[in-house]
Amino acid sequence: QVQLQESGPGLVKPSQTLSLTCTVSGGSISSGGYRWSWIRQHPGKGLEWIGNIYYSGSSNYNPSLKSRVTISVDTSKNQFSLKLSSVTAADTAVYYCARDHGSGNIKWFDPWGQGTLVTVSS
Amino acid sequence: QSVLTQPPSVSGAPGQRVTISCTGSSSNIGAGYDVHWYQQLPGTAPKLLIYGNSNRPSGVPDRFSGSKSGTSASLAITGLQAEDEADYYCQSYDSSLSVFVFGGGTKLTVL
Repeated sequence: QVQLQESGPGLVKPSQTLSLTCTVSGGSISSGGYRWSWIRQHPGKGLEWIGNIYYSGSSNYNPSLKSRVTISVDTSKNQFSLKLSSVTAADTAVYYCARDHGSGNIKWFDPWGQGTLVTVSS
Repeated sequence: QSVLTQPPSVSGAPGQRVTISCTGSSSNIGAGYDVHWYQQLPGTAPKLLIYGNSNRPSGVPDRFSGSKSGTSASLAITGLQAEDEADYYCQSYDSSLSVFVFGGGTKLTVL
């Protein structure tokens, strides 16, 4: 079955760019039919959808983060990535990658990666 | 403040039935967008529990059920077990915000 694994630095300095990669195993991103999402969870709080991408490179972003977010895909490595610029302490969170199911705006997320904690601090 | 409102906590004794509500508005649940539910055990990633309002993925016990009516949805858990102690989140889409939205989460305590 498909599995996802996040990787990247656990500590980022304020004003810098947060960069994470999600490696997909057990299935090919290029097979199509799914979009691939990034979701974050602030410590002790709820979940926030960041954005998603299709294997073709077509992406959608949360309007509240759109000016700072870039999601890209590398089909040769079966990976997709997240870049969040100009980070502040408010971006400290556990970041998850997940596969989208459904169509249009009827979507749910399954499976999820295990998550990676990113702390923004000098 | 989450777009979808859930009670912060619910509790029940083993064997009992509990429900968790998820209240939205005319731009999300009331607009016809499906509701999905996730279970997050302590220290782990969320796991899909219910999709499309009332459908269970393979492997999810039939003790878990979902429903939707108007601008709200509910998750019901019957025959409560200690292993059900977790945080539960609802999720939908909001057309005004153009974003997938989650509820604030409900902590289930098994007494």
